[in-house]
Amino acid sequence: GQQVMQIPQYQHVQEGEDFTTYCNSSTTLSNIQWYKQRPGGHPVFLIQLVKSGEVKKQKRLTFQFGEAKKNSSLHITATQTTDVGTYFCAGSSNDYKLSFGAGTTVTVRA
Amino acid sequence: DAGVIQSPRHEVTEMGQEVTLRCKPISGHNSLFWYRQTMMRGLELLIYFNNNVPIDDSGMPEDRFSAKMPNASFSTLKIQPSEPRDSAVYFCASSFFRGTGRFQGWDTEAFFGQGTRLTVV
Repeated sequence: GQQVMQIPQYQHVQEGEDFTTYCNSSTTLSNIQWYKQRPGGHPVFLIQLVKSGEVKKQKRLTFQFGEAKKNSSLHITATQTTDVGTYFCAGSSNDYKLSFGAGTTVTVRA
Repeated sequence: DAGVIQSPRHEVTEMGQEVTLRCKPISGHNSLFWYRQTMMRGLELLIYFNNNVPIDDSGMPEDRFSAKMPNASFSTLKIQPSEPRDSAVYFCASSFFRGTGRFQGWDTEAFFGQGTRLTVV
């Protein structure tokens, strides 16, 4: 069945630096969503990508959907302490199932 | 809308006891998910309902786990008997799935409840 893999599992970042987390699917996706979970909280939706090669930006966050619609990335510039949390990608392949990756847990060194 | 409502927020129970977790999805959503989150295994999909029908329960760990959705506004996840390894945070999420074909995919994102932190001692 469909699997969504996410790397890295952990990301330790110096405040002010950039980092990227990657999401790869074993099957072609119809769309991909990204979520953020703060420590002790629940996953909260960030964005959805639908089109091949699509790029969307939210302030310091840049989301990209691969041309083949099998991978995606989230790039954060000038990391801040407010970026701490776990970032999940979730993909769907024209069926009911929304498969979540294992997440990238981000910690920030001030 | 108050969002997805889960109860209880915290549950501590003894091994062997029955545990029932409850979820009220967002009104109008046709899809409901139960997830389990642990440090070791991350966020695992347990079961998915569409229009109150269980579509995929391949993530349900074993026969001790059962889930129901008797109507569009209520779902339960039951563990009987509970074991210490069931300790985790259980999330319920709801969304609206438009269907397959030309107008396909998820019309909305998945909205998660606050979760139930279950501790089995």
